[in-house]
Formats: sequence, C-alpha cells, structure tokens
Amino acid sequence: DGGITQSPKYLFRKEGQNVTLSCEQNLNHDAMYWYRQDPGQGLRLIYYSQIVNDFQKGDIAEGYSVSREKKESFPLTVTSAQKNPTAFYLCASNPSSESGYTFGSGTRLTVV
Amino acid sequence: EDQVTQSPEALRLQEGESSSLNCSYTVSGLRGLFWYRQDPGKGPEFLFTLYSAGEEKEKERLKATLTKKESFLHITAPKPEDSATYLCAVLSGSARQLTFGSGTQLTVLP
Repeated sequence: DGGITQSPKYLFRKEGQNVTLSCEQNLNHDAMYWYRQDPGQGLRLIYYSQIVNDFQKGDIAEGYSVSREKKESFPLTVTSAQKNPTAFYLCASNPSSESGYTFGSGTRLTVV
Repeated sequence: EDQVTQSPEALRLQEGESSSLNCSYTVSGLRGLFWYRQDPGKGPEFLFTLYSAGEEKEKERLKATLTKKESFLHITAPKPEDSATYLCAVLSGSARQLTFGSGTQLTVLP
C-alpha cells in the first residue's frame, strides 16, 4: 500500500546533539512538508519542498534543516540551535498544491 | 495573513448526542478547506475537502458544510469511536501550503 513512513516513532536527544528524522513516501507525490505539533497548538510549518533539490522555509524554520535529494525522501534535521525541540513532528505529502495532504504517523522527539 | 480559528477547543458529548464543530477563517481567496481527524499519537487522517460556499460532503456520521466565512463539521448520533481531535485547514491565494487551526478535541462518552 502507498503511504508515508516516518521513523523512528520515538526519539530522544541529548542537549547539543543534532538528530535526523526520516520521511519516505511511495505515493509519487511531488510536494512534501514538515510540520511541528505542540499540545494545544495547531500544526506549524517548518519546511516544504515542491520538487527535488528545492525547498523553502516555513514559519518556524530556525534550528532546522532539510534536504530533498530524491523525490521519495525528505529528511529533517533538528540541530542544536533549536532551543525547544521537544514536540511531535509530522511529515506530509501531496500530488499538487490543490490537494489535501497525506500524513505520516509522526515522530515524537524528546530532549533528555 | 491567513487565520483559522476552531471552536470549541474541547467538546464532550454523550453517545447519540449530535453537535457541530466550527472552523472560521480569514483568507485572501479560498482555494480549498480541509477537514482531518487525528487520533492521539498518530498523524492526521483526511476527511473532506470543500471548495466553494454552499458545498456539503458526508461520510458516515460526519457532514461538512462551507460558507464564505466558516465551515461546520456536523456529527450526528456520535459513537465513542468518533472521539478524536478534528483539524481544519485552508489553502488560499497563491499559498503552496495549508494553514491549520488548533483543532477541536472531541470526546464521546458511552
């Protein structure tokens, strides 16, 4: 079945460490997105990519980085510059800008 | 800047007690309004897309409607398995990404 796979499901990060969250899709979608979700808040856009080798900053890109070397993959790195990284991270994709998103199952990142 | 406001923040219903969730929006040229269901610890699941005022869509006990300023998600005779957070999102103007509301957490008691 087609879908989006995020891994790992749970991730623990020590202070000062960079960590990378994986997002893979087999839907042949051009666009991919990373959102952050905090309790009581809506989804906030971190980065998005409309095409391979191109991506744009979202509303809260500081402390994060991405790459889009393959259509299927859009990994997110949470750097040590992100001061409050504990959150639930969601990856999504869609075939065109007019379509709704398909979401992955999320990665919960906790700083220890 | 696009704004999406969902109300109430939380709603508790008895099984069979019908109600509505509200999503009001301020955008420059609505291209689509989307409803999602999200269970705890999981990614949102797509429910509906509405494109123009007056449009309605139904799925089982859920019915979504759209006006020029807001959308409603009507839940008829809900069951405990309908308990979830319901998210609303809009696509507007020249934007290439959705803007989400903060969601309504629905609890249906048996």
